[in-house]
Amino acid sequence: GAVVSQHPSWVICKSGTSVKIECRSLDFQATTMFWYRQFPKQSLMLMATSNEGSKATYEQGVEKDKFLINHASLTLSTLTVTSAHPEDSSFYICSARDAGTSGGAGGKTQYFGPGTRLLVL
Amino acid sequence: AQSVTQLDSHVSVSEGTPVLLRCNYSSSYSPSLFWYVQHPNKGLQLLLKYTSAATLVKGINGFEAEFKKSETSFHLTKPSAHMSDAAEYFCVVSGAGRRALTFGSGTRLQVQP
Repeated sequence: GAVVSQHPSWVICKSGTSVKIECRSLDFQATTMFWYRQFPKQSLMLMATSNEGSKATYEQGVEKDKFLINHASLTLSTLTVTSAHPEDSSFYICSARDAGTSGGAGGKTQYFGPGTRLLVL
Repeated sequence: AQSVTQLDSHVSVSEGTPVLLRCNYSSSYSPSLFWYVQHPNKGLQLLLKYTSAATLVKGINGFEAEFKKSETSFHLTKPSAHMSDAAEYFCVVSGAGRRALTFGSGTRLQVQP
């Protein structure tokens, strides 16, 4: 089946540093990837939609200058948390939409990465 | 606009008994509906999806869900719970033309021995 990987799985950093998280679709091409944030015991909140070769679309309330997204190829999207602060500590999950699966734009299957847990000290 | 409501935040069942996780949706479009499972500190795994084909959808690990348009529901069921089913379950909706997913608040399933 389709596999999405994330790296790193865990990261601890000091306040003020930047952290880059990679999301890769391993066996399929993904023109669109999504980045979610999940706080403990809560649901996933969409942060932004990453489109290959174009600028990301951010959800309301998400600072695009703080959460930089780059989708340089059909298999890789990166999220960089710039000048991280303790309140940025969270579980970040990416997903990739398999363009080859059935269904319209809304029905194509999304496959999720295993998540990256970020702790900012 | 679209939304999804998971009616129970916690469900506890005994091993070997049936599982019912309830989900109601609202969508301006013909929706696509999904159930995902998340084990502790893990990512999400797709259990099953509905995309306007058969209303009874069979998924992995013995789970199935029935799309009922008249009730705007997409409840998840399993005839017999297993200890390994203990996890967080998310009902998710995606409308036509909208590629991002809208997540429900999640239902934590506990399975008692």
